[in-house]
Amino acid sequence: GENVEQHPSTLSVQEGDSAVIKCTYSDSASNYFPWYKQELGKRPQLIIDIRSNVGEKKDQRIAVTLNKTAKHFSLHITETQPEDSAVYFCAASLSGLNDMRFGAGTRLTVKP
Amino acid sequence: DAGVTQSPTHLIKTRGQQVTLRCSPISGHKSVSWYQQVLGQGPQFIFQYYEKEERGRGNFPDRFSARQFPNYSSELNVNALLLGDSALYLCASSLSLVLAKNIQYFGAGTRLSVL
Repeated sequence: GENVEQHPSTLSVQEGDSAVIKCTYSDSASNYFPWYKQELGKRPQLIIDIRSNVGEKKDQRIAVTLNKTAKHFSLHITETQPEDSAVYFCAASLSGLNDMRFGAGTRLTVKP
Repeated sequence: DAGVTQSPTHLIKTRGQQVTLRCSPISGHKSVSWYQQVLGQGPQFIFQYYEKEERGRGNFPDRFSARQFPNYSSELNVNALLLGDSALYLCASSLSLVLAKNIQYFGAGTRLSVL
């Protein structure tokens, strides 16, 4: 089955700096790659997603890139703010199935 | 417009007991998935249901079962509870089966503690 690995497990940046989180996946059939933000004690919230027919997607300060050949995708947050502090999860979904496989998460801390 | 709702929010059980968790999807959503999130880890896929039929199953023992009702709500049942079943159980709903064409929304979860 699909296996998703996520790095780093923790990331600390200064406010205003950029943050990058990377994920790799094992199954080349995966075609949907969402990123979720989970604040302490709250539900995961979708922040951006990318589908396999696109190499890059941007939404204000957040961008995701996908390299299908290398089977990896990355989350980029620019101009980080303290409210960006949370745990971020990447996920991959096999084609045609509604079962997402998640990475282990990255705890991002943005220092003011 | 209500989001995905789960009940109860917290639950304490002892080893060997059985538990039933409930989920109501967003109105109009026909697909419901269940995930287990152990503290400090990412959610692990348990089941996916669409139109009352099981469409996917993760690597969980037969002690875990689920069903979906005609109104698309769902229940997750866990028998013979073990200490390791302690986790946040998340329900997620989406409009249809294929994630590549629609978004999956999560509920706030049920935190299960097994003593």
